[in-house]
Amino acid sequence: GAGVSQSPSNKVTEKGKDVELRCDPISGHTALYWYRQSLGQGLEFLIYFQGNSAPDKSGLPSDRFSAERTGGSVSTLTIQRTQQEDSAVYLCASSLQGSGANVLTFGAGSRLTVL
Amino acid sequence: GENVEQHPSTLSVQEGDSAVIKCTYSDSASNYFPWYKQELGKGPQLIIDIRSNVGEKKDQRIAVTLNKTAKHFSLHITETQPEDSAVYFCAAVSNSGYALNFGKGTSLLVTP
Repeated sequence: GAGVSQSPSNKVTEKGKDVELRCDPISGHTALYWYRQSLGQGLEFLIYFQGNSAPDKSGLPSDRFSAERTGGSVSTLTIQRTQQEDSAVYLCASSLQGSGANVLTFGAGSRLTVL
Repeated sequence: GENVEQHPSTLSVQEGDSAVIKCTYSDSASNYFPWYKQELGKGPQLIIDIRSNVGEKKDQRIAVTLNKTAKHFSLHITETQPEDSAVYFCAAVSNSGYALNFGKGTSLLVTP
């Protein structure tokens, strides 16, 4: 596609429910990143996928968070048993190559509100 | 790991004035320093970047300066316009790294 597409754009859920956030990166981009943006905070790195390599999950805040990338394209971020502190905007980005010194193209984000 | 500090957190200027946002980083191995602009309801978008082999880079009204010795870099916007109002993020990463380390952002407001 022309850009990085994320869905849903907004998600309101009750505490304890599971949520899935989807990211469709730019075709041909081998690297995919998930970041979290909490109110008044910067962009917190969550997870990184590069080609067929094992993902770097070092930024995931707890074992309630997981992500997968199928076929080297679409990625899904799953949050189990959501908590109020999970409320944030979840941003997905892709880049042509895996090196950090490359331009990241971000999606518009998925705003998650946990009641 | 890399730690990026960004100041100020908010900045208000009058249209036509200049705006300066400053960042410091901790990892001396960092050698790529991009700046992203985030408008309301959108994802961040790259506006300018600089690599460690240069000290300054300019693109029309936007310029970035880098001082590797002091480990700080700055974004300069001249002749500001209302459409420059947004949140600006600085970031740093090394060649061996892959995940940008972002500052906490600066909310810039340009008033007519």
